[in-house]
Amino acid sequence: SYVLTQPPSVSVAPGQTARITCGGNNIGSKTVHWYQQRPGQAPVLVVYGDSDRPSGIPERFSGSNSGNAATLTISRVEAGDEADYYCLVWDISIDHYVFGTGTKVTVL
Amino acid sequence: EVHLVESGGVVVQPGGSLRLSCAASGFTFEDYAMHWVRQAPGKGLEWVSLISGDGGTIYYADSVKGRFTVSRDNSKNSLYLLMSSLTGEDTALYYCARWRGTGGLDHWGQGTLVTVSS
Repeated sequence: SYVLTQPPSVSVAPGQTARITCGGNNIGSKTVHWYQQRPGQAPVLVVYGDSDRPSGIPERFSGSNSGNAATLTISRVEAGDEADYYCLVWDISIDHYVFGTGTKVTVL
Repeated sequence: EVHLVESGGVVVQPGGSLRLSCAASGFTFEDYAMHWVRQAPGKGLEWVSLISGDGGTIYYADSVKGRFTVSRDNSKNSLYLLMSSLTGEDTALYYCARWRGTGGLDHWGQGTLVTVSS
């Protein structure tokens, strides 16, 4: 089955940039979505279609996807960005959706 | 405003069965595929199942295939997940979510907790 690997944790100081990777075989050929999940809350879509933002999501959130890794970038990090982040793709070869392993972002 | 509300989560014994429901409002339900996603306590998100808007296309994760059945009633704006042969590994918070195609899972409910325990 298709595996998406994310770093377990990323720590960043306020105002700095956090980059969260989602690694998968030839993921650049797939469409990646990113979700933010704050403690005790349901996930929220922050980036869809590799790099688009839903309405209401700050421009500080951006995404890219190429080769074997997709990246979610959070610029000018704020305390409220502290959460778990997950990537999601559709594996057409087996008709399955796959979530990444998740990354906990800590704001120092 | 899009609203998704899951219900039906309870404590159930191993080997038992359970049906979860998801009530949708604020959008034309039949126009959207819907997903079930679960999250075991302290763990990550796991995709469970997808059903297309007309119910004609259905997919399941390998971990639930043959045990779970997804369905929908567009006349009632409702999504269902019938779960059987439950084990402790099925203990999780179950979310329903709306699929907007290339737009991703754009709206989620708050989840309903299923606990499999004797």
